[in-house]
This record gives sequence, structure tokens and C-alpha cells, in this order.
Amino acid sequence: QKEVEQNSGPLSVPEGAIASLNCTYSDRGSQSFFWYRQYSGKSPELIMFIYSNGDKEDGRFTAQLNKASQYVSLLIRDSQPSDSATYLCALGGSSNTGKLIFGQGTTLQVKP
Amino acid sequence: GAGVSQSPRYKVAKRGQDVALRCDPISGHVSLFWYQQALGQGPEFLTYFQNEAQLDKSGLPSDRFFAERPEGSVSTLKIQRTQQEDSAVYLCASSFVGVNTEAFFGQGTRLTVV
Repeated sequence: QKEVEQNSGPLSVPEGAIASLNCTYSDRGSQSFFWYRQYSGKSPELIMFIYSNGDKEDGRFTAQLNKASQYVSLLIRDSQPSDSATYLCALGGSSNTGKLIFGQGTTLQVKP
Repeated sequence: GAGVSQSPRYKVAKRGQDVALRCDPISGHVSLFWYQQALGQGPEFLTYFQNEAQLDKSGLPSDRFFAERPEGSVSTLKIQRTQQEDSAVYLCASSFVGVNTEAFFGQGTRLTVV
């Protein structure tokens, strides 16, 4: 079992819809969780991070964390074509070094 | 510079050739990470520096891979006797110290071994 699992997609949603991206993880010791966005040929850029169970909202983005069920999700409201990218879920490992463990990413396509 | 700078952006190497990839982190960032990203996959951790000390090299795939950061700033990832399976994008990231701090990524070096 991989440490971080994501559905590779592509996930296709119409413009204006809610996109829901999911991630499960195996290390119960993980303390920090990150969502990165990566456009084709570009470097990953941080969208959100979450440390506590529950929801965290930032503009059109909401991260949700459930440590008991070992999943973290990202909701994108009012999806725009410019949101089309690969979304990477990452865990801060329990080693406290800042090292990130990434999933394989989910490709999101927002169709006009 | 304002961000993490990596060079070269693209490198084509013949199988068996040695290559050196450079990373210039954000000024003041103590932590520096190297990741390898194969096509269609997420980045995979290679190694971690805190200042000049290499504290974790558990992700280096073989002894052909070597990284250094001698003065605690610029880092070099060296791959000896390159193989086709080394073809990937090599990403460098830097951050302040701590598990919950944001890591900023460079644009990466795309290595193609032919």
C-alpha cells in the first residue's frame, strides 16, 4: 500500500461546479497535510495546508481532514477553467524534518 | 532572487555520463529538499539538508546519486553514470525549519538520458 493514495483521474467538471479531490494516507503519525497545485510543466505550488480535524476554508478552496478515517480532501467551489491542473496531496512525515510524502496527483479538467 | 532557482532547466545526457544539477534556494531558508518526479507521478523525496548538514538521504535510489550543500546555501545533486531510469524532473524546494512550514519549489530540471 502506498503511503498516500489519490485517484489519478482525470476528474472532469463543468465550469461553476464543485470539484472534490480526495486523498487517503496510511501513516497515522502524520501531523500536517498539504494540497499543491501543479500546472503542466511547472513546479508545485501550495494551495492549502491543514493540521486539525475538520474543515479549513480559504476563498474558493476548502480542505477537510479526518484523521480517524485517514483521509483529506480538497473542495474547489465555482470551478474555473484556470483550475485545470494536477492536484497533489502531501503529508508532512512524522520525522519532523519538513519532508513531504506526495500522492501521485489527481488531474482536474474544468470544461467551459 | 525571489524564488528557488534551478539550473539547467533541461539536460540531455548520454547513458553513462555524469550530470550535476544546481539549486539556489530562497535566501534565509535553512531547509533544502531534493525530489524526483517521474512523468505522471507525484514528487518523490530524495534527500534533505538543514544548512550544510545532510540529515536525511533515505530517498536516494542508488550510490550513483550524491548531493551536497557545502556552505549551507547552494546545493548540487550529482548523478554518476546516468541510466535511462534516471530520466525525470528533479525538483528542489526550500523552507524555513519545521514540519509545518511551506516549502517553495523551483522550476525543476528535466533530465533525459538517451
